[in-house]
Parts: sequence; structure tokens; C-alpha cells
Amino acid sequence: QKEVEQNSGPLSVPEGAIASLNCTYSDRGSQSFFWYRQYSGKSPELIMFIYSNGDKEDGRFTAQLNKASQYVSLLIRDSQPSDSATYLCAVKITGNTPLVFGKGTRLSVIA
Amino acid sequence: NAGVMQNPRHLVRRRGQEARLRCSPMKGHSHVYWYRQLPEEGLKFMVYLQKENIIDESGMPKERFSAEFPKEGPSILRIQQVVRGDSAAYFCASSPYVADTQYFGPGTRLTVL
Repeated sequence: QKEVEQNSGPLSVPEGAIASLNCTYSDRGSQSFFWYRQYSGKSPELIMFIYSNGDKEDGRFTAQLNKASQYVSLLIRDSQPSDSATYLCAVKITGNTPLVFGKGTRLSVIA
Repeated sequence: NAGVMQNPRHLVRRRGQEARLRCSPMKGHSHVYWYRQLPEEGLKFMVYLQKENIIDESGMPKERFSAEFPKEGPSILRIQQVVRGDSAAYFCASSPYVADTQYFGPGTRLTVL
């Protein structure tokens, strides 16, 4: 059973702080890793993807991947109230296998 | 470039009726994926299709559920004889290539009375 684990939260951070979201996965052979943001009642929206060990930055977002430890994280710098949402971690084992999602972490940014 | 389109956005059915959900992928995308999200749960993969072919249906219940992606027209997820446990949000995603990033449609919220 391929599993992706996330802390359900809620994770509360003050406006302007760094929010750190973590995700672990069970299949050591996993190749592709994605972070989606989902506002309540809306569909998942892609934030970032990462394939290689290390950091990948895009604006206020940084994805970090450590395949040896089987975890991937998302950092949100200068958090804004509009970042308040559920963040879904998704993993692809190989290129033609389906995405496996975690249950998501609910982030609340307090103004 | 229009995104992934799904209709209807909300669907109410009584137990025993059929639910038919439609998904039109983004232009240029030939890979379609269906996911189900129960309240307070993550997204669960149901089925992956290309034009006229079901590639992976490992996440779809064997009974009452079927999916198709015809040569012309949208992909359709069909649920026969719906039960209350089928109430959920059903999301469709598409990608241009099998290993590429998936983009999600707005979803269909199915309520079974």
C-alpha cells in the first residue's frame, strides 16, 4: 500500500512568518513530488513540483526533497492570510502511475 | 487556453438513480484522471484514461462505476444505482503526457439523498 502522510493540522502561523509543511512517503522508488493548494470548496491548484533532491524555489514558495529520508516539505515565506488553505502533498511512483495524495495539512495564517 | 472543465458542478440524485459526470480536458491534453474526495479526506485516484482506452482503473469500485473517454467528446464517469456513500466531490484532472503535471477541474459535488 503506497502511502503519503501529512500532519492534518491545523497549522497556525502569524502573518509574515514562515510556514513549514511536511510530507513523508512510503515508496522509496517514488520519482515525482507535487504540492497542491486547495481552498475550501474548491479544486486543487498546483503550487510546485520537484523531482531531484534539494531545494526548488518559486517566489515565496520553496519545495525541499530528501529521498534518503523519504520526505518532502514546502516552505512558505512571508505568509499571508490568503495562504490559508489545505495543502496537499502528492507523489508519483513512476511516470505512468497515478498520483497518491496525502490527506492534507490545513494552514491558517493569522493577521 | 481554457482549463479543465467539468459539469455539472453540483448534482443531486436519489438513491438508486444514475449519476453521469463529464470532464473536458485542457486543450492539447489527451490524458484524463478521475479522483474522488470524501469530506475531510484526501483525494483518491479512481481511473486513468486516454482517448478510447482505460489505462488504469485500479482505484475504481468494480460494481456500479464505469468510465469512458470517447474519440469525440468529454470523458464520462458513470455511477449506477447511487448510494449515500457515493456523496463526494469528484475531480477530473488532465495532462498532456502521462508523466506530466496534472491540472484539476473545478469538480462535481454529488449529493445522494
